[in-house]
Amino acid sequence: NAGVTQTPKFQVLKTGQSMTLQCAQDMNHNSMYWYRQDPGMGLRLIYYSASEGTTDKGEVPNGYNVSRLNKREFSLRLESAAPSQTSVYFCASTSEVLAYTYEQYFGPGTRLTVT
Amino acid sequence: DQQVKQNSPSLSVQEGRISILNCDYTNSMFDYFLWYKKYPAEGPTFLISISSIKDKNEDGRFTVFLNKSAKHLSLHIVPSQPGDSAVYFCAASEEEYGNKLVFGAGTILRVKS
Repeated sequence: NAGVTQTPKFQVLKTGQSMTLQCAQDMNHNSMYWYRQDPGMGLRLIYYSASEGTTDKGEVPNGYNVSRLNKREFSLRLESAAPSQTSVYFCASTSEVLAYTYEQYFGPGTRLTVT
Repeated sequence: DQQVKQNSPSLSVQEGRISILNCDYTNSMFDYFLWYKKYPAEGPTFLISISSIKDKNEDGRFTVFLNKSAKHLSLHIVPSQPGDSAVYFCAASEEEYGNKLVFGAGTILRVKS
């Protein structure tokens, strides 16, 4: 099992450019999440998807959109990148069984720089 | 306003000694708490958790203590090993909000050999 995979690993964008961060999991998990990690801030939830076909906003959704393409894949799109979106982005997933312990499995992250 | 706070940005401990990482929270509705460990260039990995109905949970060298009245939890690592050097995140969840986790800012632990 690859677990949770994310592409790309690194990306540099100019202000105003758009891009999509891809996330896939092969653990048959129902729920998937996108977080951003900034120095001194911990991880903050951007969007989550409790199941295929549903998405909801987290703590910091502004400037982002998401798509739950199928059970495996959950993508994060930046329509018009801004320097404030420079961050490390993590995708995570969990199953209904793990839901009772709130344990989430994380991908390796995408380091995004917006100039 | 951060609901989960880790007030120590870093901690340095000698190999073999005890490491104690602390976490405070403000939301009394949190009912589950977790610790995650993160190495550079990797995603966080789950370490240990505790339900609000307990005050202690132990897993090998790792023990988490919960003091609900003080809204405080701590992670004890005994004995500390150089491989424990990482960033440790405290996280909390509230059943009403499902699987959403609120994370602290993290503490960098350095175990010196």
